[in-house]
Amino acid sequence: DTEVTQTPKHLVMGMTNKKSLKCEQHMGHRAMYWYKQKAKKPPELMFVYSYEKLSINESVPSRFSPECPNSSLLNLHLHALQPEDSALYLCASSQGGRTNSPLHFGNGTRLTVT
Amino acid sequence: TQLLEQSPQFLSIQEGENLTVYCNSSSVFSSLQWYRQEPGEGPVLLVTVVTGGEVKKLKRLTFQFGDARKDSSLHITAAQPGDTGLYLCAGGGSGGSNYKLTFGKGTLLTVNP
Repeated sequence: DTEVTQTPKHLVMGMTNKKSLKCEQHMGHRAMYWYKQKAKKPPELMFVYSYEKLSINESVPSRFSPECPNSSLLNLHLHALQPEDSALYLCASSQGGRTNSPLHFGNGTRLTVT
Repeated sequence: TQLLEQSPQFLSIQEGENLTVYCNSSSVFSSLQWYRQEPGEGPVLLVTVVTGGEVKKLKRLTFQFGDARKDSSLHITAAQPGDTGLYLCAGGGSGGSNYKLTFGKGTLLTVNP
C-alpha cells in the first residue's frame, strides 16, 4: 500500500462540473506535488507546495486550482475542464528542501472529462 | 532547460534476457532517481544515485551514475515478467529549483514469459 492516499480513484466529469481531487500523507513530508500523466508518458509537474505555501506553478490553466489546507493534505479543485484534461493525476510528497529527496507517489486519480 | 534523453522508449523481451536502459543529458544533475510504474499505480522509487561513478545494486537491477553526473544506466539481469512496467529516470538539477525533477520520457518494458 502506498503511503500517499488519493481519492477518488476514478472520476468522470462533464465540462461544466466542479469537482475536487484529494491527497493525504502522514509521513511528515513538507513538500507536496501535483503531477499530470498521460498514458505511457512521464509525469508532468503542475504545482508544488512547500511548507503549505505554493512554491511552483508550472503555468497551469486557472481551471485547475490547488489548495493545501495543512501539511498533510493537498487538494486540486477542477472547474470547466476540457476533454484534453483527461489524464491520471498523481499526488506526491517528499521531505523537501533538496531534489535528492525521493518522491512518494499516490496511485493517482484517473480523470475522464466528457 | 535541462533535458534527459531516455532510451529505448519501448522494449519487449523474453524472460531470462538481460537489458539496459539509458538516460543521457548535456546537463549536470545533482542526483538521478529511477522509478518503476506498474499499470494502475503511481511511480515507485527504485534508487537514488548522487555521486559521480556510483554503482548501486538492487537484486537483479544495477544502477550506474556517470562520472560527470550527466548520464545514468539501469541494467536488469535475467528479466522476469514481474519486471514489466514503465521505467522513469529523473534528474535533480544543480542550482535549479529544489523541487523540480527533470523526467526522462520513460521506457516501457514488457517481459514475456
